[in-house]
Amino acid sequence: ETGVTQSPTHLIKTRGQQVTLRCSSQSGHNTVSWYQQALGQGPQFIFQYYREEENGRGNFPPRFSGLQFPNYSSELNVNALELDDSALYLCASSSTQGTGQTQYFGPGTRLLVL
Amino acid sequence: AQTVTQSQPEMSVQEAETVTLSCTYDTSESDYYLFWYKQPPSRQMILVIRQEAYKQQNATENRFSVNFQKAAKSFSLKISDSQLGDAAMYFCAYRSAGISSGSARQLTFGSGTQLTVLP
Repeated sequence: ETGVTQSPTHLIKTRGQQVTLRCSSQSGHNTVSWYQQALGQGPQFIFQYYREEENGRGNFPPRFSGLQFPNYSSELNVNALELDDSALYLCASSSTQGTGQTQYFGPGTRLLVL
Repeated sequence: AQTVTQSQPEMSVQEAETVTLSCTYDTSESDYYLFWYKQPPSRQMILVIRQEAYKQQNATENRFSVNFQKAAKSFSLKISDSQLGDAAMYFCAYRSAGISSGSARQLTFGSGTQLTVLP
């Protein structure tokens, strides 16, 4: 069974640029959630994708957007990067079947905005 | 909105001893799930244990067990026979049990407790 994978592992961007982060869900999982974790804080929910549609969103501006593909993998896009976007971005996958209440996390992408 | 509070920013325990991490939450819902996740320095978030609110029996996973007090909205994690590899940031998280609603499946995390294991 393949776990959740994310790419890239690290990324450095400058303010105003755009970034795309990628996530492959665990085998058998059809739902992907994205979280932002600033240093020293707990993760904050950005949004969730199910059946290729956004299926819930946290308190993040529209410049945070995403996609889910037919194979359940997902992308997180952030436009007009700001310094405060520097954080660890975590992707978690889950299933609507069985233990659907449990989210399993990838290793994260560390984004630094200069 | 649900909130999760971890009042112990840091804890330490001697190797082989037992430690309890505290978590309280606030919700008006009756059906939900609670989780403890561990985040070592690699920052990979690892599931430690899960508790369904409708179950009265406390969950256990090997050396990890919880004390779930639904009326008090308390969910503490007990680590027995602590090992050096248990050193990590521990997060308590809440998830509504609502069906078919995407927002109901989001996790709400506490601020974490940094656990140090002393040799």
